[in-house]
Amino acid sequence: NAGVTQTPKFQVLKTGQSMTLQCAQDMNHNSMYWYRQDPGMGLRLIYYSASEGTTDKGEVPNGYNVSRLNKREFSLRLESAAPSQTSVYFCASSSNPRPTDTQYFGPGTRLTVL
Amino acid sequence: RKEVEQDPGPFNVPEGATVAFNCTYSNSASQSFFWYRQDCRKEPKLLMSVYSSGNEDGRFTAQLNRASQYISLLIRDSKLSDSATYLCVVINEKLTFGTGTRLTIIP
Repeated sequence: NAGVTQTPKFQVLKTGQSMTLQCAQDMNHNSMYWYRQDPGMGLRLIYYSASEGTTDKGEVPNGYNVSRLNKREFSLRLESAAPSQTSVYFCASSSNPRPTDTQYFGPGTRLTVL
Repeated sequence: RKEVEQDPGPFNVPEGATVAFNCTYSNSASQSFFWYRQDCRKEPKLLMSVYSSGNEDGRFTAQLNRASQYISLLIRDSKLSDSATYLCVVINEKLTFGTGTRLTIIP
């Protein structure tokens, strides 16, 4: 039982390059989330998927797209990376989309955009 | 005023001491509260929920003060392994993370 897994762990991009961050969970959770964490700021929600087949914008969605590929997998795409997107990205999942449901986080992806 | 505010620290505390830190929130309608723990360069993990009546889990005690709009986390008999950043989470219609308080336990 791996919980929430993310790939890659580290990535360096040049401005304008694209990439997809992968996330998978094996807890049969309905809801999945993408956050970014920057120094001096709390975790901020980028996008979430309340259930398979649905996605919604969070607090900071600009510059990102997501795909809920199936119940297990939720990917985050940067179409044209910018230095402002340098951050640590965490994927999380929860049983249901209620804010009070415990969220379980993946190990994170450290992204640097030059 | 930020929705959720925490003293970033660092709090440097000798092993065995008691340490407490607070988290203030601006929305009086906030319903639920949690403390998460985040080790250096790792993911956040749920530490404990914060109930209106307060709750205790071993050496950890979490309390809610609705009148003054803050939650607190108290750690007794601190261990080296308690060194981490502690994030508070406040929930009204959505979930908001604080920026975290960094705690270092000194041998």
